[in-house]
Amino acid sequence: GAGVSQSPRYKVAKRGQDVALRCDPISGHVSLFWYQQALGQGPEFLTYFQNEAQLDKSGLPSDRFFAERPEGSVSTLKIQRTQQEDSAVYLCASSPRDGTSGEGEQYFGPGTRLTVT
Amino acid sequence: AQKITQTQPGMFVQEKEAVTLDCTYDTSDPSYGLFWYKQPSSGEMIFLIYQGSYDQQNATEGRYSLNFQKARKSANLVISASQLGDSAMYFCAMREAPSLSSGSARQLTFGSGTQLTVLP
Repeated sequence: GAGVSQSPRYKVAKRGQDVALRCDPISGHVSLFWYQQALGQGPEFLTYFQNEAQLDKSGLPSDRFFAERPEGSVSTLKIQRTQQEDSAVYLCASSPRDGTSGEGEQYFGPGTRLTVT
Repeated sequence: AQKITQTQPGMFVQEKEAVTLDCTYDTSDPSYGLFWYKQPSSGEMIFLIYQGSYDQQNATEGRYSLNFQKARKSANLVISASQLGDSAMYFCAMREAPSLSSGSARQLTFGSGTQLTVLP
């Protein structure tokens, strides 16, 4: 079966542009997470969806970051007025379980590498 | 304070030898999970092994085993019989219980990683 897919794999944006990053989770997975991974660092949590509900957005670094998952499957992470510090790899992960309880690993996509020039 | 600490930025191991990657963690939550992920240069995060805080035995998955020492709050990954394809970045991660008031997810908190290079 297909894993988590993300598009585009690479994105170059000029400072001030808006970008949209897409995540297609594994079919039927309830939970969806977005992480930001700076160069040479581990991923850091951005936001979490349980189906279409965004239950946690405590990791979003500013109000320029916005995420949605309107039908409980595909998710989009949007960054408005990009800044150089937004340059990072953005990873999406999905899990078949409810993210507020239970166990189970998260399955990661290949990430989108965003470079802001 | 760091929740997950990986003190080895880089490690080298000879092919077919065993290697231990260190991970210590900090939590006051009695119920937590510990994970190891592998990230090759292609970028995807590959799940390797999981250890629950209440598990009595150390987790094993093929050539991977987790040396879980709860009192010392360490969860080291042991890779036996290293292969060239094991060369990658390795991340230790922890999942704690969410805050009930915020309804936050049990997201993973990652360490800074260890770059493992397997030498032929």
